[in-house]
Amino acid sequence: EAAVTQSPRNKVAVTGGKVTLSCNQTNNHNNMYWYRQDTGHGLRLIHYSYGAGSTEKGDIPDGYKASRPSQENFSLILELATPSQTSVYFCASGRTGGRAETLYFGSGTRLTVL
Amino acid sequence: QQQVRQSPQSLTVWEGETAILNCSYEDSTFDYFPWYHQFPGESPALLIAIRPVSNKKEDGRFTIFFNKREKKFSLHIADSQPGDSATYFCAASNTNKVVFGTGTRLQVLP
Repeated sequence: EAAVTQSPRNKVAVTGGKVTLSCNQTNNHNNMYWYRQDTGHGLRLIHYSYGAGSTEKGDIPDGYKASRPSQENFSLILELATPSQTSVYFCASGRTGGRAETLYFGSGTRLTVL
Repeated sequence: QQQVRQSPQSLTVWEGETAILNCSYEDSTFDYFPWYHQFPGESPALLIAIRPVSNKKEDGRFTIFFNKREKKFSLHIADSQPGDSATYFCAASNTNKVVFGTGTRLQVLP
């Protein structure tokens, strides 16, 4: 079974602070994704990566950076957190470049920015 | 711009009825259409998926109907059970991306 682990599970941050969300996958999948989930918006893609060293902008990248230092790890970085970034964040991994690709999701990180 | 539109936003059915969830898309390059379900407090997980070479895919009580000409696809849940209560997301993908709909919250009443 695919294994995607996110940390932390919950995070409270202050406005203007730096937040790093971490994701680790043990499936040797090339692709990794960061989504945020908000009521009424479903899952919206923030950043994704095709492999170590690569990051790509998704549909809502403003205010977020991503880092893929290795095949296993993919981080989402909020340099200056804002209350509008309060959300549940999901990391996912997948094997191929989108085509016929099943995504395996982590358990999510609930971020609250005060 | 919502690339994948999903309706209804919420749906309530009685146990034993068929629940019908609908999605549409615009990008003709999408070539894989999965449905994910998400139970409260959990993460999304793949339920069933279809490729456009087929217009129907069945897996037990779950069936996807696909209309390539109209760029629409739907999930039918037959003999709905209270345990099916969850949020269902349709998605569409090509070689570059996976795009999700906004979700349908399904409640099945006993």
